[in-house]
Amino acid sequence: GDSVTQMEGPVTLSEEAFLTINCTYTATGYPSLFWYVQYPGEGLQLLLKATKADDKGSNKGFEATYRKETTSFHLEKGSVQVSDSAVYFCALSDHTGRRALTFGSGTRLQVQP
Amino acid sequence: EAQVTQNPRYLITVTGKKLTVTCSQNMNHEYMSWYRQDPGLGLRQIYYSMNVEVTDKGDVPEGYKVSRKEKRNFPLILESPSPNQTSLYFCASSSTNEQYFGPGTRLTVT
Repeated sequence: GDSVTQMEGPVTLSEEAFLTINCTYTATGYPSLFWYVQYPGEGLQLLLKATKADDKGSNKGFEATYRKETTSFHLEKGSVQVSDSAVYFCALSDHTGRRALTFGSGTRLQVQP
Repeated sequence: EAQVTQNPRYLITVTGKKLTVTCSQNMNHEYMSWYRQDPGLGLRQIYYSMNVEVTDKGDVPEGYKVSRKEKRNFPLILESPSPNQTSLYFCASSSTNEQYFGPGTRLTVT
Protein backbone atom coordinates (compact mmCIF):
# COMPACT_ATOMS: atom_id res chain seq x y z
CA GLY A 1 0.00 0.00 0.00
CA ASP A 2 0.85 3.65 -0.04
CA SER A 3 3.32 5.02 2.48
CA VAL A 4 5.11 8.24 3.41
CA THR A 5 8.46 8.47 5.16
CA GLN A 6 9.66 11.66 6.84
CA MET A 7 12.88 12.48 8.57
CA GLU A 8 12.63 12.07 12.29
CA GLY A 9 12.76 15.04 14.53
CA PRO A 10 12.97 17.11 16.44
CA VAL A 11 14.77 19.50 14.15
CA THR A 12 16.22 22.42 16.09
CA LEU A 13 17.34 25.51 14.20
CA SER A 14 18.30 29.05 14.98
CA GLU A 15 16.18 31.86 13.61
CA GLU A 16 16.99 32.72 9.97
CA ALA A 17 18.53 29.29 9.32
CA PHE A 18 17.70 27.27 6.20
CA LEU A 19 15.20 24.46 6.67
CA THR A 20 14.88 21.16 4.86
CA ILE A 21 12.53 18.40 5.96
CA ASN A 22 12.84 15.31 3.82
CA CYS A 23 9.82 13.36 2.62
CA THR A 24 9.71 10.34 0.33
CA TYR A 25 6.71 8.32 -0.68
CA THR A 26 5.64 5.01 -2.12
CA ALA A 27 2.44 4.90 -4.12
CA THR A 28 0.89 3.35 -7.16
CA GLY A 29 -0.20 5.76 -9.82
CA TYR A 30 0.23 9.49 -9.49
CA PRO A 31 -0.79 10.77 -6.08
CA SER A 32 -1.23 14.35 -5.00
CA LEU A 33 1.26 15.46 -2.35
CA PHE A 34 0.75 17.77 0.60
CA TRP A 35 2.48 19.36 3.52
CA TYR A 36 0.35 20.05 6.58
CA VAL A 37 1.41 22.01 9.66
CA GLN A 38 0.15 21.54 13.20
CA TYR A 39 0.80 24.34 15.69
CA PRO A 40 0.70 23.49 19.39
CA GLY A 41 -2.83 22.70 20.53
CA GLU A 42 -4.34 23.18 17.10
CA GLY A 43 -5.59 21.08 14.21
CA LEU A 44 -3.86 20.52 10.90
CA GLN A 45 -3.60 23.28 8.37
CA LEU A 46 -2.74 22.75 4.75
CA LEU A 47 0.60 24.44 4.08
CA LEU A 48 1.10 23.62 0.40
CA LYS A 49 0.33 21.01 -2.20
CA ALA A 50 1.36 19.68 -5.61
CA THR A 51 -0.81 17.56 -7.83
CA LYS A 52 1.55 16.37 -10.57
CA ALA A 53 5.20 15.74 -11.27
CA ASP A 54 7.48 18.81 -11.31
CA ASP A 55 4.81 20.99 -9.71
CA LYS A 56 6.14 23.31 -7.01
CA GLY A 57 3.89 24.14 -4.10
CA SER A 58 4.64 27.28 -2.12
CA ASN A 59 3.14 29.23 0.75
CA LYS A 60 4.41 31.53 3.51
CA GLY A 61 8.01 31.17 2.28
CA PHE A 62 7.85 27.36 2.29
CA GLU A 63 8.38 25.39 -0.92
CA ALA A 64 8.29 21.78 -2.04
CA THR A 65 8.70 20.25 -5.49
CA TYR A 66 7.02 17.02 -6.61
CA ARG A 67 9.89 14.83 -7.82
CA LYS A 68 8.54 11.70 -9.45
CA GLU A 69 11.96 10.31 -10.37
CA THR A 70 13.08 10.30 -6.73
CA THR A 71 9.55 9.93 -5.25
CA SER A 72 10.24 12.88 -2.98
CA PHE A 73 8.54 16.06 -1.79
CA HIS A 74 11.05 17.78 0.47
CA LEU A 75 9.94 20.88 2.37
CA GLU A 76 12.27 23.90 2.34
CA LYS A 77 12.34 27.41 3.70
CA GLY A 78 15.15 29.86 3.26
CA SER A 79 14.91 31.63 6.62
CA VAL A 80 12.88 30.20 9.48
CA GLN A 81 11.25 32.20 12.24
CA VAL A 82 10.37 31.32 15.81
CA SER A 83 6.72 31.34 14.72
CA ASP A 84 7.44 28.41 12.36
CA SER A 85 7.89 26.09 15.35
CA ALA A 86 5.34 23.34 14.81
CA VAL A 87 4.95 19.76 13.66
CA TYR A 88 5.05 19.25 9.89
CA PHE A 89 3.35 16.33 8.17
CA CYS A 90 3.95 15.13 4.66
CA ALA A 91 0.96 13.36 3.11
CA LEU A 92 -0.27 11.89 -0.12
CA SER A 93 -3.71 11.34 -1.52
CA ASP A 94 -4.63 8.86 -4.17
CA HIS A 95 -7.29 9.68 -6.72
CA THR A 96 -9.75 7.01 -5.73
CA GLY A 97 -13.11 7.87 -4.25
CA ARG A 98 -11.84 7.06 -0.78
CA ARG A 99 -9.66 10.19 -0.84
CA ALA A 100 -7.77 9.00 2.21
CA LEU A 101 -4.67 10.91 3.12
CA THR A 102 -1.65 8.78 3.96
CA PHE A 103 0.49 10.69 6.43
CA GLY A 104 4.09 10.51 7.48
CA SER A 105 4.79 10.36 11.19
CA GLY A 106 5.47 14.08 11.45
CA THR A 107 8.60 16.16 12.09
CA ARG A 108 8.74 18.56 14.98
CA LEU A 109 10.55 21.82 14.21
CA GLN A 110 11.86 24.00 17.01
CA VAL A 111 13.23 27.40 16.07
CA GLN A 112 15.28 29.21 18.69
CA PRO A 113 15.71 33.00 18.81
CA GLU B 1 -16.00 31.64 8.05
CA ALA B 2 -15.44 28.23 6.46
CA GLN B 3 -14.69 25.72 9.16
CA VAL B 4 -14.96 22.26 10.60
CA THR B 5 -16.01 22.11 14.24
CA GLN B 6 -15.75 19.26 16.70
CA ASN B 7 -17.17 18.73 20.16
CA PRO B 8 -16.06 18.12 22.76
CA ARG B 9 -12.46 19.23 22.46
CA TYR B 10 -11.41 17.21 25.48
CA LEU B 11 -13.04 14.14 26.98
CA ILE B 12 -12.05 11.75 29.75
CA THR B 13 -14.22 8.69 30.12
CA VAL B 14 -14.18 5.15 31.47
CA THR B 15 -14.01 1.85 29.66
CA GLY B 16 -17.33 0.75 28.21
CA LYS B 17 -19.23 4.02 28.52
CA LYS B 18 -20.68 4.93 25.13
CA LEU B 19 -19.71 8.30 23.74
CA THR B 20 -20.21 10.41 20.64
CA VAL B 21 -17.89 13.02 19.19
CA THR B 22 -19.70 15.44 16.92
CA CYS B 23 -18.34 16.97 13.73
CA SER B 24 -19.93 19.67 11.63
CA GLN B 25 -18.82 21.57 8.53
CA ASN B 26 -20.30 24.67 6.92
CA MET B 27 -18.72 24.34 3.47
CA ASN B 28 -21.41 22.12 1.92
CA HIS B 29 -18.81 19.41 1.31
CA GLU B 30 -20.05 15.98 0.31
CA TYR B 31 -16.99 14.16 1.61
CA MET B 32 -16.17 13.86 5.31
CA SER B 33 -13.73 11.69 7.22
CA TRP B 34 -12.41 10.79 10.67
CA TYR B 35 -8.76 10.27 11.59
CA ARG B 36 -6.94 9.40 14.74
CA GLN B 37 -3.47 10.69 15.55
CA ASP B 38 -1.05 8.69 17.65
CA PRO B 39 2.60 9.47 18.44
CA GLY B 40 4.98 8.18 15.79
CA LEU B 41 2.13 6.99 13.56
CA GLY B 42 0.89 10.18 11.99
CA LEU B 43 -2.82 10.22 11.22
CA ARG B 44 -4.79 7.16 10.22
CA GLN B 45 -8.24 7.16 8.66
CA ILE B 46 -11.04 5.56 10.67
CA TYR B 47 -14.11 6.05 8.49
CA TYR B 48 -15.14 8.21 5.61
CA SER B 49 -18.35 9.29 3.93
CA MET B 50 -18.78 10.17 0.27
CA ASN B 51 -22.23 11.64 0.81
CA VAL B 52 -25.35 11.44 2.94
CA GLU B 53 -26.10 7.84 3.91
CA VAL B 54 -22.86 6.63 2.27
CA THR B 55 -20.12 5.59 4.68
CA ASP B 56 -17.20 3.17 4.48
CA LYS B 57 -14.31 1.87 6.54
CA GLY B 58 -10.89 3.43 6.52
CA ASP B 59 -7.69 1.85 7.76
CA VAL B 60 -8.56 1.48 11.46
CA PRO B 61 -12.37 1.14 11.83
CA GLU B 62 -12.49 -1.44 14.63
CA GLY B 63 -14.38 -0.18 17.68
CA TYR B 64 -15.94 2.80 15.91
CA LYS B 65 -19.21 3.62 14.21
CA VAL B 66 -20.32 6.61 12.18
CA SER B 67 -23.50 7.94 10.67
CA ARG B 68 -24.24 10.52 7.99
CA LYS B 69 -27.85 11.59 8.11
CA GLU B 70 -27.19 15.16 7.02
CA LYS B 71 -24.53 16.58 4.74
CA ARG B 72 -23.05 18.90 7.37
CA ASN B 73 -22.73 16.41 10.26
CA PHE B 74 -20.62 13.28 10.67
CA PRO B 75 -20.55 12.02 14.28
CA LEU B 76 -18.08 9.42 15.50
CA ILE B 77 -19.51 6.88 17.93
CA LEU B 78 -17.60 4.68 20.34
CA GLU B 79 -20.12 2.20 21.68
CA SER B 80 -17.78 0.57 24.19
CA PRO B 81 -14.57 2.59 24.46
CA SER B 82 -11.37 0.89 25.50
CA PRO B 83 -8.03 2.34 26.66
CA ASN B 84 -6.42 1.66 23.26
CA GLN B 85 -8.81 4.23 21.81
CA THR B 86 -7.13 6.96 23.83
CA SER B 87 -5.99 9.28 21.06
CA LEU B 88 -6.38 12.63 19.33
CA TYR B 89 -9.23 12.56 16.83
CA PHE B 90 -9.67 14.79 13.81
CA CYS B 91 -12.64 15.26 11.56
CA ALA B 92 -12.08 16.48 8.02
CA SER B 93 -14.18 17.54 5.06
CA SER B 94 -13.32 17.97 1.42
CA SER B 95 -14.70 19.09 -1.90
CA THR B 96 -11.75 17.91 -3.99
CA ASN B 97 -8.57 16.22 -2.83
CA GLU B 98 -7.81 19.04 -0.41
CA GLN B 99 -9.06 18.27 3.07
CA TYR B 100 -9.93 20.73 5.83
CA PHE B 101 -9.43 19.58 9.38
CA GLY B 102 -11.24 20.35 12.60
CA PRO B 103 -9.38 21.41 15.77
CA GLY B 104 -9.25 17.90 17.21
CA THR B 105 -10.77 16.03 20.15
CA ARG B 106 -8.43 14.62 22.75
CA LEU B 107 -10.00 11.48 24.19
CA THR B 108 -8.72 9.61 27.23
CA VAL B 109 -10.26 6.26 28.16
CA THR B 110 -9.36 4.94 31.60
